[in-house]
Amino acid sequence: NAGVTQTPKFRILKIGQSMTLQCTQDMNHNYMYWYRQDPGMGLKLIYYSVGAGITDKGEVPNGYNVSRSTTEDFPLRLELAAPSQTSVYFCASSHSGEDNEKLFFGSGTQLSVL
Amino acid sequence: KQEVTQIPAALSVPEGENLVLNCSFTDSAIYNLQWFRQDPGKGLTSLLLIQSSQREQTSGRLNASLDKSSGRSTLYIAASQPGDSATYLCAVWDSGNTPLVFGKGTRLSVIA
Repeated sequence: NAGVTQTPKFRILKIGQSMTLQCTQDMNHNYMYWYRQDPGMGLKLIYYSVGAGITDKGEVPNGYNVSRSTTEDFPLRLELAAPSQTSVYFCASSHSGEDNEKLFFGSGTQLSVL
Repeated sequence: KQEVTQIPAALSVPEGENLVLNCSFTDSAIYNLQWFRQDPGKGLTSLLLIQSSQREQTSGRLNASLDKSSGRSTLYIAASQPGDSATYLCAVWDSGNTPLVFGKGTRLSVIA
């Protein structure tokens, strides 16, 4: 079982470059999430989606964009990379938002902006 | 705004000890509380989920309790092993239906 798959695992960007972090899940989950984790910190929610075609902002959405055209995929776009976006990015999914639903996480993308 | 605090930030114990990790949250109107484990350089693995109507959940040597009224949860690990060494994160889903808000974690080292 693949679960939640993120690509790439590592990436170095120059300031001002753009890139897309890919996330796909094979569990037919409706809810998907993007978090970032800075060293020594907890995870902060960037964007989330409750189904195809529906996205909403989290705590730290500035500088990012998302789309959800299919149930399986939830890419995160960085348009003009800044050093403040250096972080580890985690994608997660859950079947629904019910109170007994666990989140399943991908293995992360480590991004450095220099 | 919901805030989650975990104490201690780091903990080192000898193998075989029983230990308790603490989590507190500021808004008691939560949907559920979840404990995760994170190994270095890896993603998060869900350990236990406690629904708002529940008081505790158990899985093997792990037991998590929830006291909503006081805004606290504890994760109890019995007979700790070196393989338990990891960072443990607490997260709450508050009733405003905002997805999980995380604490900064407790880094646990179990020494053989």
